[in-house]
Amino acid sequence: QKEVEQDPGPLSVPEGAIVSLNCTYSNSAFQYFMWYRQYSRKGPELLMYTYSSGNKEDGRFTAQVDKSSKYISLFIRDSQPSDSATYLCAMTDFLYNQGGKLIFGQGTELSVKP
Amino acid sequence: DAGVTQSPTHLIKTRGQQVTLRCSPKSGHDTVSWYQQALGQGPQFIFQYYEEEERQRGNFPDRFSGHQFPNYSSELNVNALLLGDSALYLCASTLGAGGPYEQYFGPGTRLTVT
Repeated sequence: QKEVEQDPGPLSVPEGAIVSLNCTYSNSAFQYFMWYRQYSRKGPELLMYTYSSGNKEDGRFTAQVDKSSKYISLFIRDSQPSDSATYLCAMTDFLYNQGGKLIFGQGTELSVKP
Repeated sequence: DAGVTQSPTHLIKTRGQQVTLRCSPKSGHDTVSWYQQALGQGPQFIFQYYEEEERQRGNFPDRFSGHQFPNYSSELNVNALLLGDSALYLCASTLGAGGPYEQYFGPGTRLTVT
């Protein structure tokens, strides 16, 4: 069983739709939870991060973490064609000054149709 | 301000050969991590270098080795290449004392082994 599971999709939605992306994990030591966006043939870019449980909002994006269920989500409101990309969840049991290897999900390919 | 740069962009090698990939971290960063991303998968952590030493290592064989130079740039070496080593190799940089979410990724080097 993988430490982080993510539905690979692909997911296709019409422009303006609300998108929900999810990951589950098994390691209860994970404390930091990140969402990356990766366009084709590019490196991942950080969208948002959350420490421990709770919600975080940034514009059209909302990240949620439920540590009791070992479940994280990313919501995209009013989705745009420019949001079409692969979305990767990542997490770590980061220890300060001891590095922090990221454990990634498989990635969900999202396509937003005009 | 230049971000993370990697070279070369693409590389084609034959089974059994050796390859060296290079990474220059974002200005001000002193820690470099390497990840392998197979097609359709999320990145997998190979190792991290800090102060010219390997600080953490993922589940990769000894055929994968690295080095960090005094200017913080880094190399990833892979010996005795296998077909399964074909992937996008990503370099990420951060400050050694920074948070795990502050990892900036380069565009990657796409390695094809034939």
